[in-house]
Amino acid sequence: KQEVTQIPAALSVPEGENLVLNCSFTDSAIYNLQWFRQDPGKGLTSLLLIQSSQREQTSGRLNASLDKSSGRSTLYIAASQPGDSATYLCAASNDYKLSFGAGTTVTVRA
Amino acid sequence: DTGVSQNPRHKITKRGQNVTFRCDPISEHNRLYWYRQTLGQGPEFLTYFQNEAQLEKSRLLSDRFSAERPKGSFSTLEIQRTEQGDSAMYLCASSLGGAGFYEQYFGPGTRLTVT
Repeated sequence: KQEVTQIPAALSVPEGENLVLNCSFTDSAIYNLQWFRQDPGKGLTSLLLIQSSQREQTSGRLNASLDKSSGRSTLYIAASQPGDSATYLCAASNDYKLSFGAGTTVTVRA
Repeated sequence: DTGVSQNPRHKITKRGQNVTFRCDPISEHNRLYWYRQTLGQGPEFLTYFQNEAQLEKSRLLSDRFSAERPKGSFSTLEIQRTEQGDSAMYLCASSLGGAGFYEQYFGPGTRLTVT
């Protein structure tokens, strides 16, 4: 059974600082890894999807890397803004379903 | 396309009552998933449909839970004899289908509170 862990559980940074969010997974035989954003009481917004054959994906200020051999993915958010405050979830897929971590709650202080 | 929609967005019910939630996927998607998220946790997989066929049910889906997708379009999730432990956010997602994995798109969720 795939186990996904996200550390830290919470993070507070001043505006403008770069964010580094970590995700680890136990079963390296994944199809891909997705990063999501969740605002309080809301659904999930997909940020980036990295295929198992890829090493990284980029979208604007977001960059996600994937190291299958070590079972790790990292989400980088450059030049953080207060609007980036949310919970960030990573999810690994070994088949058709996603296994999620518990998330990292980010607060960006103005 | 307006994305995945879920109704109702919020449901408060008394313990022992039955509740039903609806999910409308993105129109061309033939796969539909249900997940449950409790406070402070990530979503957990409940069940999955390919067209109208329910192909997997998690052990989390007790016999009080039933899901249907009668015409391969919208889906319903019913919980019978609700318990306080059923209080959670119920999330629906859809994707294209075929061999392998396709990106899943999530709806806004239905928040259930059992009093």
